[in-house]
Amino acid sequence: IAGITQAPTSQILAAGRRMTLRCTQDMRHNAMYWYRQDLGLGLRLIHYSNTAGTTGKGEVPDGYSVSRANTDDFPLTLASAVPSQTSVYFCASSASTGSAQYFGPGTRLLVL
Amino acid sequence: AQSVTQLDSHVSVSEGTPVLLRCNYSSSYSPSLFWYVQHPNKGLQLLLKYTSAATLVKGINGFEAEFKKSETSFHLTKPSAHMSDAAEYFCVVSDLSGGSYIPTFGRGTSLIVHP
Repeated sequence: IAGITQAPTSQILAAGRRMTLRCTQDMRHNAMYWYRQDLGLGLRLIHYSNTAGTTGKGEVPDGYSVSRANTDDFPLTLASAVPSQTSVYFCASSASTGSAQYFGPGTRLLVL
Repeated sequence: AQSVTQLDSHVSVSEGTPVLLRCNYSSSYSPSLFWYVQHPNKGLQLLLKYTSAATLVKGINGFEAEFKKSETSFHLTKPSAHMSDAAEYFCVVSDLSGGSYIPTFGRGTSLIVHP
């Protein structure tokens, strides 16, 4: 049982480039989330999805977009990366919004 | 609007002594509350959750938390710290907003355990 997988594990990206972080879960959870973790700030919600076909904005959505074409996948796209998007990105899923979340291992992104 | 305040950025204890990590929250409705743990360079793992059942919630690894509505608190405790408890701990409130339960994380408390 894999749970949640994220790819890549880490990435160095030139500013201005486009990047998609991948997230896949095999638990058939309805809700999925993307967070960024920065030192001293905890985890901040970027975007979320209640169920396949729907998405919503979190606390820090600017510069990011998501899609939810099916239950299992929830990719996060940076259309034109900037250095302030350097962070560790975590994907999570839960049976429904409000229930306990299960987290992926994270993606470390460095934007130069 | 909901918010979470973890009152200590760092807590230092000796092995075998009690642990107290403090969390206060604000919410508009009846929230769900969670504690997660993150060991160095790892993802997050659920410790325990409160979802309007018993106010004293038991979690994994001997941790427990008590929901006190009058104090809007959800402090995490453990009777006796172990070296393996050294990690970052996050308190989370999940409250109804626009038809969905949106989670909000506290900034985290780093637990340091001395031998």
